[in-house]
Amino acid sequence: EVQLVESGGGLAQRGGSLRLSCVASGFTFSNYDMRWVRQAPGKGLEWVSSIPRSGESTFHADSVKGRFTISRDNSKNTLSLQMNSLRDEDTAVYYCARKMDRADASDIWGQGTMVTVSS
Amino acid sequence: SYEMTQPPSVSVSPGQTVSITCSGDKLGDKPTAWYQMKPGQSPVLVIYQNTKRPSGIPERFSGSNSGNTATLTISVTQAMDEADYYCQVWDKSTVVFGGGTRLTVL
Repeated sequence: EVQLVESGGGLAQRGGSLRLSCVASGFTFSNYDMRWVRQAPGKGLEWVSSIPRSGESTFHADSVKGRFTISRDNSKNTLSLQMNSLRDEDTAVYYCARKMDRADASDIWGQGTMVTVSS
Repeated sequence: SYEMTQPPSVSVSPGQTVSITCSGDKLGDKPTAWYQMKPGQSPVLVIYQNTKRPSGIPERFSGSNSGNTATLTISVTQAMDEADYYCQVWDKSTVVFGGGTRLTVL
C-alpha cells in the first residue's frame, strides 16, 4: 500500500523548535518530489515547502523562509521539516504529500500531524 | 505572488449539478488541480491537469480551465460530496492554493 506517515508534532513553545518526519512506503520514494502543506485551525490549505527527488534544492513559502528547512533521506524513505523560531501562526496540521511524476498535483497525502505553538 | 480566488461557499441539492470556480490572472495557462477535504481527513486529489481524474474518483467529477477561470463541476451531487474544495497551481517554484470553497449539499 502506498502510504505516507507523519510524526513529530506536538506542543512547542513560542520561539522553540520542532522536527517533523514523514516516512514513505509502497513506492520508490527517491523517484518523487515531495512537499509539506499545512492547515491552521479554521483556515485553508497553505503550501509550506517543496524538495525535488534529488534533494539538491529546496523551496519555502515566504511565511517560513529562514525558519523552516525541508530535507530528505532517500536511503531511509524519509522526508523531514525542521521548524525553528516557531510562532503562534505556525499552529496547524502539517501534511506531507507526494507530487505526481508528470503533473503538478499531490496524489498521496499523509494523515497529518498537529503542531501547537504556545507561550 | 500569484493569487487565486474561490467563492467561500456554494450549496446544491442532491442529484443536481454544481460548479465551483477558481479565478486568477491567466489561470487558463496554468495546469490546475482540485482537492476535496472533509473534516478530520487529509486532502484527496479529485482533478489534475485541469480535466484528468485520478483512479478511484467518480466520473461525476470533472474540470475545465480557460481564460482566468478554472471550474470543478460535480454532476448528480451526492451527500458524500459535501466537503471543502481547493484549487491549486504551481507558479514560479511555489505551490499556490485557492482559499477554498465549502460545498453544502442541502
